[in-house]
Amino acid sequence: KNEVEQSPQNLTAQEGEFITINCSYSVGISALHWLQQHPGGGIVSLFMLSSGKKKHGRLIATINIQEKHSSLHITASHPRDSAVYICAALNTGNQFYFGTGTSLTVIP
Amino acid sequence: EAQVTQNPRYLITVTGKKLTVTCSQNMNHEYMSWYRQDPGLGLRQIYYSMNVEVTDKGDVPEGYKVSRKEKRNFPLILESPSPNQTSLYFCASSLSSSVDEQFFGPGTRLTVL
Repeated sequence: KNEVEQSPQNLTAQEGEFITINCSYSVGISALHWLQQHPGGGIVSLFMLSSGKKKHGRLIATINIQEKHSSLHITASHPRDSAVYICAALNTGNQFYFGTGTSLTVIP
Repeated sequence: EAQVTQNPRYLITVTGKKLTVTCSQNMNHEYMSWYRQDPGLGLRQIYYSMNVEVTDKGDVPEGYKVSRKEKRNFPLILESPSPNQTSLYFCASSLSSSVDEQFFGPGTRLTVL
């Protein structure tokens, strides 16, 4: 059983579409992170959430602690958003558990 | 430039030959961590360190050792590598605790024959 489940595994969208990636976790958490892995393999941190909602440009992340669920939204998607998006739950013991990632392709 | 560096970036070795992958950060971060990434399994945490001389096991610590003698360095040691340790390895660091944004190194692709 995976402590963190992401959906969908793969997602193809047309440029300009609104995109949602979902993450559910079963462990008690201190925080939840959203990461982006570029086609070349590099990983960057997008958000760290412990409650509520955060927004950076066209990216929005939300978390519902009671439902153990987080979502990453991309508004007005662009081909440069094509990447793998990874959800990571930090449990109360300072240990990370990761989803297997959502591979996003945005077509012009 | 603030960064996490890893060396080597690519390594092909043979079973049983001890190796070390270095990780260094120049941001005075307290938290450092090692992960491996495998197809279908995603990222998994190997070891992490909350500060100098403090290390803890992650999800998959078997076959690995780490040390944290200085704040900036967190080497990953494979005493006797085996083919099932063939993987892509990432080091990461964050400022003052594990709840801060993590900065990732570029990755080390290891093949054990």
